[in-house]
Amino acid sequence: GNSVTQMEGPVTLSEEAFLTINCTYTATGYPSLFWYVQYPGEGLQLLLKATKADDKGSNKGFEATYRKETTSFHLEKGSVQVSDSAVYFCALSDRSKDDKIIFGKGTRLHILP
Amino acid sequence: DADVTQTPRNRITKTGKRIMLECSQTKGHDRMYWYRQDPGLGLRLIYYSFDVKDINKGEISDGYSVSRQAQAKFSLSLESAIPNQTALYFCATRGQGANTEAFFGQGTRLTVV
Repeated sequence: GNSVTQMEGPVTLSEEAFLTINCTYTATGYPSLFWYVQYPGEGLQLLLKATKADDKGSNKGFEATYRKETTSFHLEKGSVQVSDSAVYFCALSDRSKDDKIIFGKGTRLHILP
Repeated sequence: DADVTQTPRNRITKTGKRIMLECSQTKGHDRMYWYRQDPGLGLRLIYYSFDVKDINKGEISDGYSVSRQAQAKFSLSLESAIPNQTALYFCATRGQGANTEAFFGQGTRLTVV
């Protein structure tokens, strides 16, 4: 079945450090890929998405590229800020599976000033 | 007003009690979802609905039931609450298509004692 695996946290970085959160997926069809972010006390909100191979999603300085050959969608940011502290979820949605969204387990990110 | 509203935001209930969590959305979308979030387990799908007459079980539906009263309303019930149903519950809605964004409520923190 479809699944998403992302690196376990927590991840702790200093402000202005480079961030990578790894995400790989397994899917039988042609999924769309997403990163959602959950700030403390809030629900999830979409950070970025990519809908086909080699697409790059970007938002708020974050980027992720849909790599079909490695079944990956790693999240990157060149210079993190304290306000980026949150939980990040990688997710996929597969047209052949009722369009359900399958989430990874989440990665908690702490940014130190 | 929020796109997706969940009530209550917090609830403590006793083992064996029936409890209902309510969700309403103003996005006009047909699809609605209930997820459960537990530390280290990410989000797991409980039930989902494509319209008022189309309700489907997710991966962890045992012990839960749902009702889709209208396009905009989707409620989750625990018929006889047990302590391992203590979790953070999220309602979400999205439009049709695997590449569409899901919109989440702020969550209901449920504690079963």
